[in-house]
Amino acid sequence: EAAVTQSPRSKVAVTGGKVTLSCHQTNNHDYMYWYRQDTGHGLRLIHYSYVADSTEKGDIPDGYKASRPSQENFSLILELASLSQTAVYFCASSAAGTGEGNQAPLFGEGTRLSVL
Amino acid sequence: AQSVTQPDARVTVSEGASLQLRCKYSYFGTPYLFWYVQYPRQGLQLLLKYYPGDPVVQGVNGFEAEFSKSNSSFHLRKASVHWSDWAVYFCAVSMNTGGLSGKLTFGEGTQVTVIS
Repeated sequence: EAAVTQSPRSKVAVTGGKVTLSCHQTNNHDYMYWYRQDTGHGLRLIHYSYVADSTEKGDIPDGYKASRPSQENFSLILELASLSQTAVYFCASSAAGTGEGNQAPLFGEGTRLSVL
Repeated sequence: AQSVTQPDARVTVSEGASLQLRCKYSYFGTPYLFWYVQYPRQGLQLLLKYYPGDPVVQGVNGFEAEFSKSNSSFHLRKASVHWSDWAVYFCAVSMNTGGLSGKLTFGEGTQVTVIS
């Protein structure tokens, strides 16, 4: 069964500390994404990746780095966590190609991050 | 830049009544459109997707949506709401350039409350 798995599911971090969020997909998808959701709002794209060892900036990349060491794994890194980065983070994956045969992106369950 | 507007932040509906959630998009070109549902403390689940073709698309759990290019809209409908439909609903648009269907712009979401 297709799946996107995120770890940890929740985390409390201290201001200025380093945080790494992990994502693993078993869908054989080429593309992976990291989104951020703030309370009461929609999702915004942070970083994405077409292929292993390559990442691209999304709409709100400041304060975040991403790493794609393999097709299956995609990490989001907060080098110096700040209070404003408290949010829920979602990972997603999608197949390559366009048109009807292309699947809609599949999302993970999310990681709830609190920075204190 | 593309954008999505969901004008209703909250909708309350009686169980068994019909439901319509509004979505307006702004995009130059032919969009790829999605509706996702988010249950409390869970990830996003796909309800339905629109790729250029038939303007009325059927989704899961009795949901359907209608694309209108002239109105720049993609409204979601359900004929008879069940208590399990209590959730947040997100409309999203993708340019789908280069197969990046997962590079989405989301609306703010509509919280649906079901009353008996």
